[in-house]
Amino acid sequence: AQSVTQLGSHVSVSEGALVLLRCNYSSSVPPYLFWYVQYPNQGLQLLLKYTSAATLVKGINGFEAEFKKSETSFHLTKPSAHMSDAAEYFCAVSSSGGYQKVTFGIGTKLQVIP
Amino acid sequence: KAGVTQTPRYLIKTRGQQVTLSCSPISGHRSVSWYQQTPGQGLQFLFEYFSETQRNKGNFPGRFSGRQFSNSRSEMNVSTLELGDSALYLCASSRFPGQGTNEQYFGPGTRLTVT
Repeated sequence: AQSVTQLGSHVSVSEGALVLLRCNYSSSVPPYLFWYVQYPNQGLQLLLKYTSAATLVKGINGFEAEFKKSETSFHLTKPSAHMSDAAEYFCAVSSSGGYQKVTFGIGTKLQVIP
Repeated sequence: KAGVTQTPRYLIKTRGQQVTLSCSPISGHRSVSWYQQTPGQGLQFLFEYFSETQRNKGNFPGRFSGRQFSNSRSEMNVSTLELGDSALYLCASSRFPGQGTNEQYFGPGTRLTVT
């Protein structure tokens, strides 16, 4: 079984401040982990994914995430928030190999305050 | 290259009716997955199709069904609609099946409202 917990359904940051979106996962086998972003009235877009290579994963738009097995975490960060980062972010987990389903977290809405 | 397209974008139906949603994947993609997105439940996996065969299924009642055509286009059907079926239905395509290993590209979704 696998699951994802995103801490904080809403996060507000000031423009230029650090963005930190938290994600903890549960998986009985080595996981694949993902962060997606969803802008209003659009589908999801992949930001980055971890597939057991480097633990620090760099994605698009300046985002990165670090896989910490001991903490079962995969938090998303960005050093400096832009107004255009306002969106909903989803963490997701999948078991590696085969026709494995992806399980999504409930999502975190990021508000960027000018 | 054109992205994933979903039709219609918005739909209003009455309880008890049925509805069919359509998804055209990116050219060359043969796997299509469907998700239901609601504010309370987030994204929940419905099913995945590859080469016209259902490869994986989520925990939804039999009222939810789908199919895939030889050109990889997919449809999902919901019969006997309930108020709780109101949601954004997202389709995602990838080159191969296996959502964990193959990057999925999402369409904009179909917003279904059941009254």
